[in-house]
Amino acid sequence: GNSVTQMEGPVTLSEEAFLTINCTYTATGYPSLFWYVQYPGEGLQLLLKATKADDKGSNKGFEATYRKETTSFHLEKGSVQVSDSAVYFCALATGNTPLVFGKGTRLSVIA
Amino acid sequence: NAGVTQTPKFRVLKTGQSMTLLCAQDMNHEYMYWYRQDPGMGLRLIHYSVGEGTTAKGEVPDGYNVSRLKKQNFLLGLESAAPSQTSVYFCASSYSRDGGELFFGEGSRLTVL
Repeated sequence: GNSVTQMEGPVTLSEEAFLTINCTYTATGYPSLFWYVQYPGEGLQLLLKATKADDKGSNKGFEATYRKETTSFHLEKGSVQVSDSAVYFCALATGNTPLVFGKGTRLSVIA
Repeated sequence: NAGVTQTPKFRVLKTGQSMTLLCAQDMNHEYMYWYRQDPGMGLRLIHYSVGEGTTAKGEVPDGYNVSRLKKQNFLLGLESAAPSQTSVYFCASSYSRDGGELFFGEGSRLTVL
């Protein structure tokens, strides 16, 4: 079946540090890959997505590249801000199944 | 600009009581979902619907029932609440099942004593 594994948190960084959150997946077929973000007290919202191999999704300074050879979709940001503190979820979808989420990684950015 | 609205936002139940969570979306989406979020477990799919009048089981359906009588509404019911159902519940909707963006409500925090 489909599954997503992402690095365990929490991750604590200083403002302007470089961020990487690892995500690997197992899927039948060719999945679409997503990163969702959950700010405190809110529901999840889509951060970025990629629908085929070598695609790069980007939004708000965050990037992730769909790597089929390593079955990975790592999230990166060059310079984090305090406002980026949130929980980040990697997710995948294929043609026959609803979205499957990883367990989430909590990021705390300190000034 | 409501999007996905969940009611109630908070509820405390005693073991054995019943309740219904209501999810309403105004985006004319076909697909709707109920997830639960627990510490260290991420989001787990309870039930989902691919259109009005349809429902299907997700990863953790036991102890829950759902109904989709109207396209815009998706109800999640607990017939006999248990402490293990203490969680934050999220409803989501989308226009397609794969490759499409999910739109989430703000969540409903349920505590079962």
